[in-house]
Amino acid sequence: GDSVTQMEGPVTLSEEAFLTINCTYTATGYPSLFWYVQYPGEGLQLLLKATKADDKGSNKGFEATYRKETTSFHLEKGSVQVSDSAVYFCALSRADFGNEKLTFGTGTRLTIIP
Amino acid sequence: DTGVSQNPRHKITKRGQNVTFRCDPISEHNRLYWYRQTLGQGPEFLTYFQNEAQLEKSRLLSDRFSAERPKGSFSTLEIQRTEQGDSAMYLCASSSPLQETQYFGPGTRLLVL
Repeated sequence: GDSVTQMEGPVTLSEEAFLTINCTYTATGYPSLFWYVQYPGEGLQLLLKATKADDKGSNKGFEATYRKETTSFHLEKGSVQVSDSAVYFCALSRADFGNEKLTFGTGTRLTIIP
Repeated sequence: DTGVSQNPRHKITKRGQNVTFRCDPISEHNRLYWYRQTLGQGPEFLTYFQNEAQLEKSRLLSDRFSAERPKGSFSTLEIQRTEQGDSAMYLCASSSPLQETQYFGPGTRLLVL
């Protein structure tokens, strides 16, 4: 079945450091790929997405490129801020008859220290 | 657009009791999903509705769980004879056929004592 493997956390970085959170997936066909973020005390929010190979999703300074040859969708940000502290989830979906259920990784907790 | 809402936000119950959760999706969204998230894990798919039709149920959804969406708007998730292993965050999400983005509610945190 479909699966998503995420870099294990927790990850602690200093403010303005470069961030990479690795994500690889296993799926048949051509899934869409997502990064969701969960800030403390809040619900899951979509951060970015890519729906086909070589697409780059971007939002709030975060980027991820859909790499079909390596089945990866790594999340990157050039300069992190304290406000980026959250749990990040990589996910995929395949539209089976309209059911776009998401398959999530286990999440990576990111803490940014000033 | 007021977002997806879920009630209650927290529920503490004793083992063996029944509980019911409610989800109100974004008004124009005809697709509704339930997920369960346990501590330190990502959300896991439970079930999916398109309008009022329940089109898929995960194997995680034992016969003690039932979900409904009677008029294609709000949905309820009922757990009968709760067990301690049911303790988790229950998440609801909705989407429209025009977008491939699911919008999540804040979740209902269930604790079974």
